[in-house]
Amino acid sequence: KQEVTQIPAALSVPEGENLVLNCSFTDSAIYNLQWFRQDPGKGLTSLLLIQSSQREQTSGRLNASLDKSSGRSTLYIAASQPGDSATYLCAVRMDSSYKLIFGSGTRLLVRP
Amino acid sequence: NAGVTQTPKFQVLKTGQSMTLQCAQDMNHNSMYWYRQDPGMGLRLIYYSASEGTTDKGEVPNGYNVSRLNKREFSLRLESAAPSQTSVYFCASSAGPTNEKLFFGSGTQLSVL
Repeated sequence: KQEVTQIPAALSVPEGENLVLNCSFTDSAIYNLQWFRQDPGKGLTSLLLIQSSQREQTSGRLNASLDKSSGRSTLYIAASQPGDSATYLCAVRMDSSYKLIFGSGTRLLVRP
Repeated sequence: NAGVTQTPKFQVLKTGQSMTLQCAQDMNHNSMYWYRQDPGMGLRLIYYSASEGTTDKGEVPNGYNVSRLNKREFSLRLESAAPSQTSVYFCASSAGPTNEKLFFGSGTQLSVL
């Protein structure tokens, strides 16, 4: 059974710092992996989607990498800003099904 | 462009009451989903609709029913609410193929007393 883990559960950094959020999964036979952002009291916003054949995806200050063999993905945030404060979740799709398996998220606080 | 709209935003029920959560999307997406989010458990799929006219069970379907009313609307019904159904419920949609991004509504916070 696939399990998705995100460590740490919470992270606090000063503004301007580059940071890495981690996502690990137990079964490497994934179809794709998606990173989401969730603001308090809001729904999830998809940030980046990486197909199993890809190594990384970039959008602005965000870069997500995927290493299937080691069961890991990282979300790199460059030059963090207070507006980046949110919970970041990763989710994997195992095959061509509609089921996403979510991690519990990392709650990020960027201090001014 | 509203995206995915859920109603209501908050609801309090007594055990045994019934209610329907409404969801509508205006992106012409084929696929729609209902998730619940609980502390420490992440998001879990309740039901999904791959396309208009079809619905399938997800991970935690017990105690719920769904209706894909048309391409835009996908409702979730609790026939006899239980305290274990206290959660935040999210509706989501995607264009259809399994490699598409998901778009989420803002959620419904449900408390069952």
